[in-house]
Amino acid sequence: RKEVEQDPGPFNVPEGATVAFNCTYSNSASQSFFWYRQDCRKEPKLLMSVYSSGNEDGRFTAQLNRASQYISLLIRDSKLSDSATYLCVVNTVLISGNTGKLIFGQGTTLQVKP
Amino acid sequence: GAVVSQHPSWVICKSGTSVKIECRSLDFQATTMFWYRQFPKQSLMLMATSNEGSKATYEQGVEKDKFLINHASLTLSTLTVTSAHPEDSSFYICSAGRTGTGSYNEQFFGPGTRLTVL
Repeated sequence: RKEVEQDPGPFNVPEGATVAFNCTYSNSASQSFFWYRQDCRKEPKLLMSVYSSGNEDGRFTAQLNRASQYISLLIRDSKLSDSATYLCVVNTVLISGNTGKLIFGQGTTLQVKP
Repeated sequence: GAVVSQHPSWVICKSGTSVKIECRSLDFQATTMFWYRQFPKQSLMLMATSNEGSKATYEQGVEKDKFLINHASLTLSTLTVTSAHPEDSSFYICSAGRTGTGSYNEQFFGPGTRLTVL
């Protein structure tokens, strides 16, 4: 079983749609959670961190359920520019002064159509 | 701030040659740098963790004698793919860790190096 699992998609949605991505992780000791965005042939870029209380950044909302080991990302009012691969990322290390090791999911591809 | 560069951005080489990739943190010091590899339609896989002044820690299945890592300074780590073969063709990405306040520490990614071995 993969440490971080995502539905690879692709998700094809029209502009303005709301789309949700899900992710599960297997290591209950995981401490930090993130969503990254990766455009074709580019490096991943941090989209947002994910906290147990949930957090929102404009049209993006991330949720974490530690009991179910489940992370979600909701994108509202999709734009053409949101087309990319979204990577669910987990870090199991929580030691001050140590950046830990990131475990990446396979990524979910989103295509927003006009 | 927190910019990471990689050089070269792409390289094409013949089978059997060695290729060196540089990863630099431009505006911060990075005690730890990470090297990832990404094959088409797959996710990033951590190859090794590079610590300044000490030996790198390799992930299971990654040959340390084939992928040589040197982290001689707080702003530079290099990955050398020795005797490269076509199956080593991949997108190699580095990241640099910056120690933040409290317990949250970030990694900043370089733009990646696309290696094609003929």
